[in-house]
Amino acid sequence: EVQLVESGGGLVQPGGSLRISCAASGITFNMYAMAWVRQAPGKGLEWVTTITGSGGSTYYADSVQGRFTVSRDNFVDTLYLQMNSLGAEDTAVYYCAKVPPNVYYWYMDVWGKGTTVTVSS
Amino acid sequence: EIVLTQSPGTLSLSPGERATLSCRASQSVSSQLAWYQQKPGQAPRLLIYDASSRATGTPDRFSGSGSGTDFTLTISRLEAEDFAVYFCQQYDNSHATFGQGTKVEIK
Repeated sequence: EVQLVESGGGLVQPGGSLRISCAASGITFNMYAMAWVRQAPGKGLEWVTTITGSGGSTYYADSVQGRFTVSRDNFVDTLYLQMNSLGAEDTAVYYCAKVPPNVYYWYMDVWGKGTTVTVSS
Repeated sequence: EIVLTQSPGTLSLSPGERATLSCRASQSVSSQLAWYQQKPGQAPRLLIYDASSRATGTPDRFSGSGSGTDFTLTISRLEAEDFAVYFCQQYDNSHATFGQGTKVEIK
């Protein structure tokens, strides 16, 4: 069974930084692109970023480009999201999600339960 | 950015009724459209991909149709566990976008 478990969320001050993680199990991790999707309180879903299986290519939403960095360690089957210059608009539940194989662009077929990031003074 | 507009915002129906949810794209996304179901406090769950293909585990009362700019998710007969929020998502380019969601509530 595929499992994605996010961790590292918490309260951070405006302008601060935070790194969240997603541990994967039940899959050959390096075969799959992975994504982060966020959901602000009471709002809809927003795609944040995708990284290819090798980690060689990354893609970002305009709202986080230049502030967030996605990476992965295929030796420990873990996905990361480094978030800098955080603002109140970044407050959300952050979901880690797996992209199916052999797709040109991404939809997400397995999701973690999410980790909550709150940006507030 | 491709904008997805879902309608209606809320659908009030009774168990056993048919639900028809719409998703309209601001430009063609071919068949690169997925539907997700989200229940309160839970992560989204993939229901439909490529506009009309059911994901593993999706009951056959769920069906997707459409291509280009107009898409529909149909739930043929609502069951208690189907009352939730549904999101569409396009993946026609490297910047995926979601619709704002349709809430299906018990009438």
